[in-house]
Amino acid sequence: QVQLVESGGGVVQPGGSLRLSCAASGFTFSSYVVHWVRQAPGKGLEWVAVMSRDGRAQYYADSVKGRFTVSRDNPKNTLYLDMNSLGPEDTAMYFCAREAYYDSLPTFYFDFWGQGTSVTVSS
Amino acid sequence: SYVLTQPPSVSVAPGQTARIPCGGDNLGSKGVHWYQQKAGQAPVLVIYDDSGRPSGIPERFSGAKSGNTATLTIRSVEAGDEADYYCQVHTTDSFHVFGTGTKVAFL
Repeated sequence: QVQLVESGGGVVQPGGSLRLSCAASGFTFSSYVVHWVRQAPGKGLEWVAVMSRDGRAQYYADSVKGRFTVSRDNPKNTLYLDMNSLGPEDTAMYFCAREAYYDSLPTFYFDFWGQGTSVTVSS
Repeated sequence: SYVLTQPPSVSVAPGQTARIPCGGDNLGSKGVHWYQQKAGQAPVLVIYDDSGRPSGIPERFSGAKSGNTATLTIRSVEAGDEADYYCQVHTTDSFHVFGTGTKVAFL
């Protein structure tokens, strides 16, 4: 069955860095796009970043552009999110979410989600 | 940036029908997707492309769109339906946008 398992969260000081991982199983990782979505405590969902299946293109929300870097290792079935210059506004649960495909075309919705990893930015 | 607006909460009596609106500019030209998120859990897709229902989602859940407003309808609301619900669309400039979220609670 499809599984996405996030890890790497924790408590970090303002200005610090953190690397999140999303381990995928139960599907052909290289054939899918997997996104990062976050949710601040008590707030709504916010799309964060995505990398294309071949790793050639990355897209970011304006709120993280220039500070976060998304990457993927297809042989390891893993998606990463490198977060730098972290601020209190980055405190959130970070989810990875698979974008569904239909007839090999993207559908622009998320059919499977991980349980998330928590990031707290605090001194 | 693109904004999807939802009411903060919808109250419904058990067994009745809950309707959750989601409004946005030019929404008629975009596919709208809906997610259910129970407390402490990850979101779950309940409606895709305005009105499609993934396997495993009860028929009580349905979606529709008219003009710039999409609506998620939950018939015969049960205790397990109490959750936050988010609409979502894809745009070329903001990429993926989620609505502000609506909490469904019993009266």
